[in-house]
Amino acid sequence: GEDVEQSLFLSVREGDSSVINCTYTDSSSTYLYWYKQEPGAGLQLLTYIFSNMDMKQDQRLTVLLNKKDKHLSLRIADTQTGDSAIYFCAEPMYSGGGADGLTFGKGTHLIIQP
Amino acid sequence: AAGVIQSPRHLIKEKRETATLKCYPIPRHDTVYWYQQGPGQDPQFLISFYEKMQSDKGSIPDRFSAQQFSDYHSELNMSSLELGDSALYFCASSSGLAKYNEQFFGPGTRLTVL
Repeated sequence: GEDVEQSLFLSVREGDSSVINCTYTDSSSTYLYWYKQEPGAGLQLLTYIFSNMDMKQDQRLTVLLNKKDKHLSLRIADTQTGDSAIYFCAEPMYSGGGADGLTFGKGTHLIIQP
Repeated sequence: AAGVIQSPRHLIKEKRETATLKCYPIPRHDTVYWYQQGPGQDPQFLISFYEKMQSDKGSIPDRFSAQQFSDYHSELNMSSLELGDSALYFCASSSGLAKYNEQFFGPGTRLTVL
């Protein structure tokens, strides 16, 4: 499968913005996704971006896509303690259609300092 | 709203035993995916089914098999269990009609092989 890379840890103060970065390898991916996983829990889809978009905003979340550099970022504004989790970026393994499995990055642990 | 149901939530087996994990997708979802997440790892795609037919295959070992039944539930059968099979197994479901193939994840089954 394709490689999706993320840094492992990010520490921010409560109330600051968090920016989680991801690089992917498959330029043909139709959609790119951000998932959140809290300890011992399943994966929750936070947001997604279509490959022909540069930016998508959804309340406190902003996704930026630089297709030329294959770089995806997730910005969380006004980070709260409830945002503490592991954040995974993901892309479809194949064409992005049908029952495509997802390739996940290693995940970024977001740590919130009071 | 109804979510993906997985059973059992926890399972303890001995080496060389067999295990069966069950997944009940969200009502009216026709696509099911299986993922394996080892400790501290990202989820790895195993296999998917669309309308009861195998769709995509990822890193599923030959010792594992899966199927989707007429009521769309799916079962993952694991034989000759090894210590390395200890992991969290997630099932996800989606609707083939969904534009961006959003996969809804279940809470997972934690398999421990002793």
